[in-house]
Formats: sequence, C-alpha cells, structure tokens
Amino acid sequence: DSGVTQTPKHLITATGQRVTLRCSPRSGDLSVYWYQQSLDQGLQFLIHYYNGEERAKGNILERFSAQQFPDLHSELNLSSLELGDSALYFCASSRENTGELFFGEGSRLTVL
Amino acid sequence: AQSVTQPDIHITVSEGASLELRCNYSYGATPYLFWYVQSPGQGLQLLLKYFSGDTLVQGIKGFEAEFKRSQSSFNLRKPSLHWSDAAEYFCAVGLSGYALNFGKGTSLLVTP
Repeated sequence: DSGVTQTPKHLITATGQRVTLRCSPRSGDLSVYWYQQSLDQGLQFLIHYYNGEERAKGNILERFSAQQFPDLHSELNLSSLELGDSALYFCASSRENTGELFFGEGSRLTVL
Repeated sequence: AQSVTQPDIHITVSEGASLELRCNYSYGATPYLFWYVQSPGQGLQLLLKYFSGDTLVQGIKGFEAEFKRSQSSFNLRKPSLHWSDAAEYFCAVGLSGYALNFGKGTSLLVTP
C-alpha cells in the first residue's frame, strides 16, 4: 500500500460527458502529480501541484483541468470526453525533492 | 530533448534464469534514475533508485541496477527470476522537483 488513494477505481461514461477523479496523497506529501497511461502513449505526465499551486504542465489537454485543495487532496477534471480519453489515470505524490513518486492504484476511465 | 528509452517491449525468460532490462536516457544533466514495477491492475511500485554515489544500487525483491554514466544507461538486473516477477517494468528519470519521465515499459513474461 503506497498510501496514495484514488477514487473511483473504475468509471464508465459516454462521449461528451465530464468526470472528476480524486486523489488523496500520502500523509505529509505536498506534491501531487497526475499521469495518464494508455497502450499507445505509455505513461504521460499531465500536471504537477505543490502545496496548492500548479508547478508544471505536461501533455494535458485544454479539456482537462486539475486543482489541489488546502487539505492537499487533488482532483482531475476531464470534460467533453472523447473515446481516446479512455485510459488509466494515476495520481502520485512525493514529499522530498528527490523525484521519488508514490503511486495510487489508478482510476480506469472508459468512454463509450 | 529529454528522453527515456527501453528498447525491449516484451521479454520472455524462464523461471530461475537471470534478467537484464535495458534503459537509456538522454538528459542535459545526470538525472535521478528509477525503476518501477507494475503488476496487472496495480499501481506502480518503486523497485530502486539512484541519486548519486555507488553506481550499483540494490532494490526490493532481489533486483539491482547499475548506472553507467558513459553509456547513459541504468539497466535492471536480477540473478534468478521467480514466476511472480512477471509484470511491466518502467524506467524513469527526472530532476529534483520535476515530474518523472517514464520509458514505454518492458513487459516481462516468466515461463516455467
């Protein structure tokens, strides 16, 4: 158990819809990272938050957004969903500036 | 451009045999180096990491990796595989305070 909690574990929705994925980092971790994992693209970095502030953006679509709340949990919002958004979305957290990430078990999104 | 390459997409090894998974990177500076393992339906678990110092690092589950600066490589090894080692293995590199950049992964199949 990494200590990172993600909900929901599975989500099935239709094209055009909007979903929110939730992540609770390890206790004490100030950084939260979101990654998307798909068969063709592998693990793609989406966005990084540190103590409530956006630190870096990766390959995140404009239809996607995220935020980190004062209690340090984070949410990833995916809107106007397309079939190609079907993927496994991982949240990871870290405490130190060592790059070591602790991953949740992921949220599997299926868009029909 | 920064990149991480895992040349082997799939590898099949007999139980009891040794394993070496390759990882090469291209970065402006020497990054932090990691190997993660992902079992089916699970998140990513850290196997080992290299920050500095001894270029041979030991990890969990009997794995080790060797950093070779001249070759920009960080290959993962295990002397004797167990059937439970079958999984997806990811090499990742990063710099302090930044998101990790992952390779595409190597899928390991262990045969009896």
